Amino acid sequence: QVQLQESGPGLVKPSQTLSLTCTVSDGSISSGGYYWNWIRQHPGKGLEWIGYIYYRGTTYYNPSLRSRVAISVDTSKNQFSLRLTSVTAADTAFYYCARETLGVVTNFDYWGQGTLVTVSS
Amino acid sequence: QTVVTQEPSLTVSPGGTVTLTCASSTGAVTSSNSPNWFQQKPGQAPRALIYNTSNKHSWTPARFSGSLLGGKAALTLSGVQPEDEADYFCLLYSSGARVFGGGTKLTVL
Repeated sequence: QVQLQESGPGLVKPSQTLSLTCTVSDGSISSGGYYWNWIRQHPGKGLEWIGYIYYRGTTYYNPSLRSRVAISVDTSKNQFSLRLTSVTAADTAFYYCARETLGVVTNFDYWGQGTLVTVSS
Repeated sequence: QTVVTQEPSLTVSPGGTVTLTCASSTGAVTSSNSPNWFQQKPGQAPRALIYNTSNKHSWTPARFSGSLLGGKAALTLSGVQPEDEADYFCLLYSSGARVFGGGTKLTVL
């Protein structure tokens, strides 16, 4: 079954850019039929959808984060990435990547284990 | 932007039945919102349980079921097991965006 794994710095300074990568194993991003998502969870809180990318580069972002977010894909590495600019302490959270299967009905099926990013000087 | 509301907490006895709900600030939840449900245990990533209102993943235990109830999405657990104690999140599709509910902490006691 497909596996997703987040990676990136666990500590980012305020006003800088948060960058994370999700590596997909046992499945090809280029095969189509999926959206590749980023979701975050503030410690002890609920989930917040950040956005998704299709392997051809089409993206859709949460309106509340749209001005600071960019998701990109590297099909040669079977990875997709998140960039969040001008971070503050409010961006401290667990960040998850997840696959959303498209079709007659869509659904989120597989998730990465998540990575904690702390914004602090 | 759509706000999705869930019960903050619920308690159920082992072997009992409990229903969690998921409401939308924009009105009644319908099948077009394609409700998804996720379970999250402490220190773990969310795990998908239900999609498109009532469809189960291959790994979803039979005691979990999804439906629409009174204008809300609903997740019913029948014959609750101690291992069902967890946080449960719903997700609704809303005009292209995906919106999570705040989650329900289910205690099995």
